[in-house]
Amino acid sequence: QVQLVQSGSELKKPGASVKVSCKASGYTFTSYAMNWVRQAPGQGLEWMGWINTNTGNPTYAQGFTGRFVFSLDTSVSTAYLQISSLKAEDTAVYYCARDAFDIAVAGTCFDYWGQGTLVTVSS
Amino acid sequence: AIQLTQSPSSLSASVGDRVTITCRASQGISSALAWYQQKPGKAPKLLIYDASSLESGVPSRFSGSGSGTDFTLTISSLQPEDFATYYCQQFNSYPRTFGPGTKVDIK
Repeated sequence: QVQLVQSGSELKKPGASVKVSCKASGYTFTSYAMNWVRQAPGQGLEWMGWINTNTGNPTYAQGFTGRFVFSLDTSVSTAYLQISSLKAEDTAVYYCARDAFDIAVAGTCFDYWGQGTLVTVSS
Repeated sequence: AIQLTQSPSSLSASVGDRVTITCRASQGISSALAWYQQKPGKAPKLLIYDASSLESGVPSRFSGSGSGTDFTLTISSLQPEDFATYYCQQFNSYPRTFGPGTKVDIK
């Protein structure tokens, strides 16, 4: 069965960096794109962008350029989200979410989600 | 970016009620719309894609309709496990955007 398992909660100080992992299993990792979605406390869902798991090419939504980096380690079927120069407003749950359709038509909707990683930024 | 609005923002309903949630796009998105259910502390779950296609394993009491700018999610007979927040999401153009959500709670 398809599973996306994310790394655990993080507490960071402003200005620090964090790297969230998303380990996939149960399917061919490079056949489906991976997306990242942010949910601030008590708020809605915000799409951050996606990464082509075949080529490694990332696409970032506006507002998620510069400090946010998507990466892969295909040898262990894992996607990563790194956030640098953390700010209090980065406090949120971050989800990885698999594209529902084959990578040839990537960037659609999301059929499998990780359990979420809470990143808290506080001094 | 395409803006999605949902109405109502919240509703109270009873088990067995028919519930309808509307999602409106700021411009036409053909049928490139999905619906998700999210329960507190949990990841969203895909219910409907391509505006009206039921995701595998999702109960048939959920249905979606619409195209262009106006879409509807209907729950034909609300069950206790359906109390949650529902989001629409468009995938017609970048950036992918979500609606603000509709919270369905117990009357």
